[in-house]
Amino acid sequence: AQTVTQSQPEMSVQEAETVTLSCTYDTSENNYYLFWYKQPPSRQMILVIRQEAYKQQNATENRFSVNFQKAAKSFSLKISDSQLGDTAMYFCAFMTYTGNQFYFGTGTSLTVIP
Amino acid sequence: ETGVTQSPTHLIKTRGQQVTLRCSSQSGHNTVSWYQQALGQGPQFIFQYYREEENGRGNFPPRFSGLQFPNYSSELNVNALELDDSALYLCASSSQGIYEQYFGPGTRLTVT
Repeated sequence: AQTVTQSQPEMSVQEAETVTLSCTYDTSENNYYLFWYKQPPSRQMILVIRQEAYKQQNATENRFSVNFQKAAKSFSLKISDSQLGDTAMYFCAFMTYTGNQFYFGTGTSLTVIP
Repeated sequence: ETGVTQSPTHLIKTRGQQVTLRCSSQSGHNTVSWYQQALGQGPQFIFQYYREEENGRGNFPPRFSGLQFPNYSSELNVNALELDDSALYLCASSSQGIYEQYFGPGTRLTVT
């Protein structure tokens, strides 16, 4: 069974500062995908960043980057130069190579303070 | 390119009733997945449809059922509604074999 754990229910950060959201997962699979999704108050889930487990290089998308530690089964999200529009619920998610479903964590509510 | 759309936006039903939620997939996508997101929780996988057939199911009872139509749109039906069915229902579309899924805005179902 796959599980995803986000241990920080709520976080806040000052505008323009950097924040890191934590995620750990458990799986017996060797090949899989990891994702961070953002869900603003409008409710629509938006893909922030993804990582293939076979890639050692950490993914980066503009101000968003991940720290993927496969041995530790850890997948944290770093947001640099935080903006007010980053305020949202952030979900870490896992999908196996052969699977067809996401396994989501319980989310971290991030508030960017002006 | 049209994104994933869902209807209705909100819905209030009474315990024991039946409900149908609808989803139109993104243009070019042939696979639709449904998720239930209870308040304060992450989305939970209900099932997926590909080529009009169920292609995987999560830990949900049979009173949760679905359909996919030739145009790849989909319906989620829930019978004998229970109070715990109150949640945001998300639809996501993708192309089979492609892991990236695109989510719709969801339908908020309240069961009283």
